[in-house]
Amino acid sequence: DQQVKQNSPSLSVQEGRISILNCDYTNSMFDYFLWYKKYPAEGPTFLISISSIKDKNEDGRFTVFLNKSAKHLSLHIVPSQPGDSAVYFCAASASGNTPLVFGKGTRLSVIA
Amino acid sequence: GAVVSQHPSRVICKSGTSVKIECRSLDFQATTMFWYRQFPKQSLMLMATSNEGSKATYEQGVEKDKFLINHASLTLSTLTVTSAHPEDSSFYICSASLQNYGYTFGSGTRLTVV
Repeated sequence: DQQVKQNSPSLSVQEGRISILNCDYTNSMFDYFLWYKKYPAEGPTFLISISSIKDKNEDGRFTVFLNKSAKHLSLHIVPSQPGDSAVYFCAASASGNTPLVFGKGTRLSVIA
Repeated sequence: GAVVSQHPSRVICKSGTSVKIECRSLDFQATTMFWYRQFPKQSLMLMATSNEGSKATYEQGVEKDKFLINHASLTLSTLTVTSAHPEDSSFYICSASLQNYGYTFGSGTRLTVV
């Protein structure tokens, strides 16, 4: 039973356009959400996070939106750059010091 | 920032042998360390949670006698894959939780059992 779902295994976007990566979750106890970028054979790199008390968090080109009622969050990258090409994982936590639960990831390809 | 150093980055071992993976927190004390495993094109799956000075808590389906976790100090946690088999070939990653909901990850270990 997947508690965190990323239904799009891949996404292709032109350079300069917006990339939107989606994530859904089922566990209503999750109260903290994170996005990670990952290259093969490397550990995940933290991008941005959001607490359940917020509905939006922005950091440079990255913005995360959280819709608690729909149990849905999304990561927006704008403008997209070729260096953004990687696998993006959505992760959720039920409270501090508990393990993260990851989605299966979405492979983003930004085409020049 | 908080850094977790994970070694080795990759290892090839013969079937039946044991492999130890180390994760060290370099500039902070890691009370809790999480161990994940990632198969190709799959998610990072939690294997176990280790707390310094106590026994690890294993997720369902993870054999505790096969994946030995030791967290004897606040700066070192180890995962030993005992009697490794080809199906244990995977990417293993450790993660430490930080204050204020932060998490930091090791760089991962690619294990190949031949």
